[in-house]
Amino acid sequence: DAKTTQPNSMESNEEEPVHLPCNHSTISGTDYIHWYRQLPSQGPEYVIHGLTSNVNNRMASLAIAEDRKSSTLILHRATLRDAAVYYCILIINAGGTSYGKLTFGQGTILTVHP
Amino acid sequence: NAGVTQTPKFRILKIGQSMTLQCTQDMNHNYMYWYRQDPGMGLKLIYYSVGAGITDKGEVPNGYNVSRSTTEDFPLRLELAAPSQTSVYFCASRLGTASNTIYFGEGSWLTVV
Repeated sequence: DAKTTQPNSMESNEEEPVHLPCNHSTISGTDYIHWYRQLPSQGPEYVIHGLTSNVNNRMASLAIAEDRKSSTLILHRATLRDAAVYYCILIINAGGTSYGKLTFGQGTILTVHP
Repeated sequence: NAGVTQTPKFRILKIGQSMTLQCTQDMNHNYMYWYRQDPGMGLKLIYYSVGAGITDKGEVPNGYNVSRSTTEDFPLRLELAAPSQTSVYFCASRLGTASNTIYFGEGSWLTVV
């Protein structure tokens, strides 16, 4: 399985930017980097994903290192509602389809202080 | 689209009882997954399926069984429930390419007493 490594926890103050790192040194050239978050007592939800280029959407930005061995999820202005567990996962690409098995690491617990 | 629907949301089982957690998706997704999440822990993959008629074990399959007779449904069977199976169970689905988003159900809270 493609492995990712994330810090166990991070803290931020409200309205400040948050940079959540993820290491994925075993990534292959066509594997996608996905980020999901899990709010308390809810199922995980999609945040953002990318392949090589940096990506932006209404929730966050994804900065991908040039060698693709790491990425950073950026929340531009953290709010209390952003307090969650953030998961970085790799979805392995296999010739047009993708490897079925999908495992999650422990993720990063983000605490946002008022 | 209703997305991924799990039933029941809450259930209390006695030790040794059996039950089935239901999962249905209406997005015509090929891949479906069952995860369990113990308090304060991450998601552990129980079983997954890449299409109707195809299932495979994940990280923690013992004590569970699955079937995938249709694209839409992926039920998880618990046989002889044990206290160690007290957990929150999440079903998920996605299409077959690596760029596709994973959709999760709202979870099923199971307590075995």
